[in-house]
Amino acid sequence: DVKVTQSSRYLVKRTGEKVFLECVQDMDHENMFWYRQDPGLGLRLIYFSYDVKMKEKGDIPEGYSVSREKKERFSLILESASTNQTSMYLCATGDRYEQYFGPGTRLTVT
Amino acid sequence: AQTVTQSQPEMSVQEAETVTLSCTYDTSENNYYLFWYKQPPSRQMILVIRQEAYKQQNATENRFSVNFQKAAKSFSLKISDSQLGDTAMYFCAFMGYSGGSNYKLTFGKGTLLTVNP
Repeated sequence: DVKVTQSSRYLVKRTGEKVFLECVQDMDHENMFWYRQDPGLGLRLIYFSYDVKMKEKGDIPEGYSVSREKKERFSLILESASTNQTSMYLCATGDRYEQYFGPGTRLTVT
Repeated sequence: AQTVTQSQPEMSVQEAETVTLSCTYDTSENNYYLFWYKQPPSRQMILVIRQEAYKQQNATENRFSVNFQKAAKSFSLKISDSQLGDTAMYFCAFMGYSGGSNYKLTFGKGTLLTVNP
């Protein structure tokens, strides 16, 4: 079974803090993705990576950055968290046939 | 840019009945995949069914089937013999494939399906 794990299920941070969300996959996939899920908006792609140290912006990259130093690990970074970044964050990995999702991190910024 | 539209924010169905979830999309690409993903309450998103655009035959997975109308850019999901465990948020998703390897998905906003006993 594919496993995609995320470092936290729930996270509460203060405005202005630097936040790291980590994702690890065990399938040796080249592609990894970070999505944000908000009610009524579906899933929106923040960033994706198609290889180690390679990244591309998705649809809503503002306020976020990413890091991929190893193939299995893809980190999402909120440089200075703001209240409008309160959301569910989903990591995924996969290929053209299927994406496998992690359990999500529900981030609250107060 | 691709867009995916799910016009039904919420639906409900009685157990054992059949329900159809609608999805339309817009693209100028010829090669693409369409997906339905399911997200049960507080559980991980999983793939329900996949359709490859170049295949004319509609995909089927047990009780789940699709009605793929390429010209109309429509991709509906039919769930037969609905079960309580089908209660979930369902997302329609599009992936263009023009030879690159990015495999990005564009999602619709989702349809919350409730199966009632």
